[in-house]
Amino acid sequence: QSVLTQPPSVSGAPGQRVTISCTGRSSNIGAGFDVHWYQQLPGTAPKLLIYGNTNRPSGVPDRFSGSKSGTSASLAITGLQAEDEADYYCQSYDNSLRRVFGGGTKLTVL
Amino acid sequence: EVQLLESGGGLVQPGGSLRLSCAASGSTFSSYAMNWVRQAPGKGLEWVSAISGSGDNIYYADSVKGRFTISRDNSKNTLSLQMNSLRAEDTAVYYCAKASLWFGELMAQYYFEYWGQGTLVTVSS
Repeated sequence: QSVLTQPPSVSGAPGQRVTISCTGRSSNIGAGFDVHWYQQLPGTAPKLLIYGNTNRPSGVPDRFSGSKSGTSASLAITGLQAEDEADYYCQSYDNSLRRVFGGGTKLTVL
Repeated sequence: EVQLLESGGGLVQPGGSLRLSCAASGSTFSSYAMNWVRQAPGKGLEWVSAISGSGDNIYYADSVKGRFTISRDNSKNTLSLQMNSLRAEDTAVYYCAKASLWFGELMAQYYFEYWGQGTLVTVSS
């Protein structure tokens, strides 16, 4: 059971917009800890996608955006492309300063 | 950019030990914190341990506390994870990850900026 809750799967057609939620509680996201997102393409290591709730590292397309409100965060992907098919993970902290992950969301591009 | 290369994975019997290594290049190793993150087959990511740049501050997940020991040798740009009393549930791909600091409103927090390719640890008889 992951500390942060994500939907197991989401899907969308090419060109569409999808969102992936990451729900925490008052001991992690709700306590004010920030959220970071990672993309894991099939058979590869995770890659940083969003840090500090909304910031994209150099090289990440602006089709990817993040937001945070209250005890939850969201990752939005616009203009969906076939190469976006991957697993996505959110990550934050909890009050004991442990780094915590969501269970991951598998994005399928129809 | 930082390059990370893990090694040391393999098959080990329950109760056995294994030592993982992560060789870093491309930046000043001693200036940044490092982490181990694992992923059981077909499962999600699980943070395992973290160590500060100097090695003075160390953190563990409850699931490995007392069994795993993280360390670093800044003279050799190497991160290590000594794993003892291994259990079947420790079976996973183990990634080393460079941590970068984010200055949030609440406090400074680390995120995982660069990842190695991972090394597979299988605990089975």
